[in-house]
Amino acid sequence: EAGVAQSPRYKIIEKRQSVAFWCNPISGHATLYWYQQILGQGPKLLIQFQNNGVVDDSQLPKDRFSAERLKGVDSTLKIQPAKLEDSAVYLCASSRDRGLETQYFGPGTRLLVL
Amino acid sequence: AQTVTQSQPEMSVQEAETVTLSCTYDTSESDYYLFWYKQPPSRQMILVIRQEAYKQQNATENRFSVNFQKAAKSFSLKISDSQLGDAAMYFCVLTGANSKLTFGKGITLSVRP
Repeated sequence: EAGVAQSPRYKIIEKRQSVAFWCNPISGHATLYWYQQILGQGPKLLIQFQNNGVVDDSQLPKDRFSAERLKGVDSTLKIQPAKLEDSAVYLCASSRDRGLETQYFGPGTRLLVL
Repeated sequence: AQTVTQSQPEMSVQEAETVTLSCTYDTSESDYYLFWYKQPPSRQMILVIRQEAYKQQNATENRFSVNFQKAAKSFSLKISDSQLGDAAMYFCVLTGANSKLTFGKGITLSVRP
């Protein structure tokens, strides 16, 4: 069974530029999560999707971050415009469903904003 | 509110020896899962082991096992026959019915050859 796929693996941009990350969850997984992990900290949930609907985006900085999962499979996370403090690893995870489930993580995208 | 506490920021173990990583947690839910995730320098979050709270038997996965003490709200990870590839940050994680993961601060494990 293929795991969670993410691309790109690394991205370097200048502040005020825009960037997009892509995630493909494990086949059949209905729930998809995006996390932001700043160096030295644990991951912080940005947004949770159930199929193509948003379940929780309470910690997503909506003035600059957006995410979509239009067909209930792949998802993209966008930052526009980027700030220096957005430098982090962006992790995508998926689970079979909501509730008591195991989340499986992708390899992450390392973003550096200069 | 759920909390997870990992009080040791770093540990070191000799290759082939055994090491135990400690974790305590708090939750008001009666049904929950506990996990240990490993994060090597590549930064991928890798599932090591899962424990369902309703199960009395401690989970094991090859060289990895847990000591789950539900009444004491303690969940430690034992790594036997430590290998160089075990060097990583280890997170103790709790989840409940709302799918939210609560992470501990993590512990950095180094393995001495």
